Amino acid sequence: DAKTTQPNSMESNEEEPVHLPCNHSTISGTDYIHWYRQLPSQGPEYVIHGLTSNVNNRMASLAIAEDRKSSTLILHRATLRDAAVYYCILRAYSSASKIIFGSGTRLSIRP
Amino acid sequence: DGGITQSPKYLFRKEGQNVTLSCEQNLNHDAMYWYRQDPGQGLRLIYYSQIVNDFQKGDIAEGYSVSREKKESFPLTVTSAQKNPTAFYLCASSSSAGGTDTQYFGPGTRLTVL
Repeated sequence: DAKTTQPNSMESNEEEPVHLPCNHSTISGTDYIHWYRQLPSQGPEYVIHGLTSNVNNRMASLAIAEDRKSSTLILHRATLRDAAVYYCILRAYSSASKIIFGSGTRLSIRP
Repeated sequence: DGGITQSPKYLFRKEGQNVTLSCEQNLNHDAMYWYRQDPGQGLRLIYYSQIVNDFQKGDIAEGYSVSREKKESFPLTVTSAQKNPTAFYLCASSSSAGGTDTQYFGPGTRLTVL
């Protein structure tokens, strides 16, 4: 099964952009890349997902490498509320069983 | 308000006892999931259900059982066969089980075995 690799932790300043990397070198052609984030003692919250093209929504942007072996979640202007654990997840198009959570990156925001 | 509810928020169990965790959703979603999270770790899939009266094992199903008799309900039973059940349990749902669908998570149940 394809796995993801993320840095354990990152730190950023408030109101600056944040780039959270994810490696998924064994990704298959039908795997979607999803990002979720989790605040302490809460359930994860969906952030964004994509397949091949870069994606934007009101929360973030997702940049996917041309070979799809890596991706980057971009928070354009970090706030204190963005401090959370961010998970990069691969999901197969047709199978719910292939849901593999990465180790997650704990993002801290300095005021 | 639409969403997923889990109860109880905290649960204590004696060794050797079975315990059932509740998960209810009013989002009219077909697919539902149970995950386990240990301290400092990511989520691991226990069971999932794509439709009523059907469910599939995830990566760590041993010691757990589920039922899906109603679309809105997906209870998880932690049996005495689960050797290390103390963990944070999360329920999620999505409109289908496909790779493009967003999963919506409940607030979680923290189970402690005494």
